[in-house]
Amino acid sequence: NAGVTQTPKFQVLKTGQSMTLQCAQDMNHEYMSWYRQDPGMGLRLIHYSVGAGITDQGEVPNGYNVSRSTTEDFPLRLLSAAPSQTSVYFCASSYSEAVGYGYTFGSGTRLTVV
Amino acid sequence: GDSVTQMEGPVTLSEEAFLTINCTYTATGYPSLFWYVQYPGEGLQLLLKATKADDKGSNKGFEATYRKETTSFHLEKGSVQVSDSAVYFCALGGSEKLVFGKGMKLTVNP
Repeated sequence: NAGVTQTPKFQVLKTGQSMTLQCAQDMNHEYMSWYRQDPGMGLRLIHYSVGAGITDQGEVPNGYNVSRSTTEDFPLRLLSAAPSQTSVYFCASSYSEAVGYGYTFGSGTRLTVV
Repeated sequence: GDSVTQMEGPVTLSEEAFLTINCTYTATGYPSLFWYVQYPGEGLQLLLKATKADDKGSNKGFEATYRKETTSFHLEKGSVQVSDSAVYFCALGGSEKLVFGKGMKLTVNP
């Protein structure tokens, strides 16, 4: 059982470039989300989805787009990369939006924007 | 809104030492409380959780009790091992999405 799979693990972008961070889960979880982790800031929610076709903004959504065409996949798009988006990105999923279930996390994507 | 405050460290302990990581929260209603652990180079893993007052979560020798009267969920382990070296996050699930503390880095030396 793969759980939550994120690709790539590492990426270097130039300012202004665009890219998509991939996230896939095989647990039939309805709820998926993207976080970024920065030193001294903990984890901050970027976007989330409660099911296919439904997405919403989190705490820090600017500069990022998401879509959820299938239950399994929840890609995160950087439209025009900026150095402030240098971070480690984590995808997480859960059986339900009900937070008592806890989340399953991917292993992360370390992004550097130069 | 909901928030979590936890010890930030970093903390260095010797093997077999006692560990306490403090976590307090602010929330409306009756949130669920979690401890997540992040080992080097990996994502976060759920360590333990408690969903109502006075519940005790436990796993891998770690324990935490949901204390509503003090709005706390402190993590404890009686004897840490080198393999416990990691970053520990306290988290709250209430009326909003899961909210995380800033994390505390623990290093355990042999």
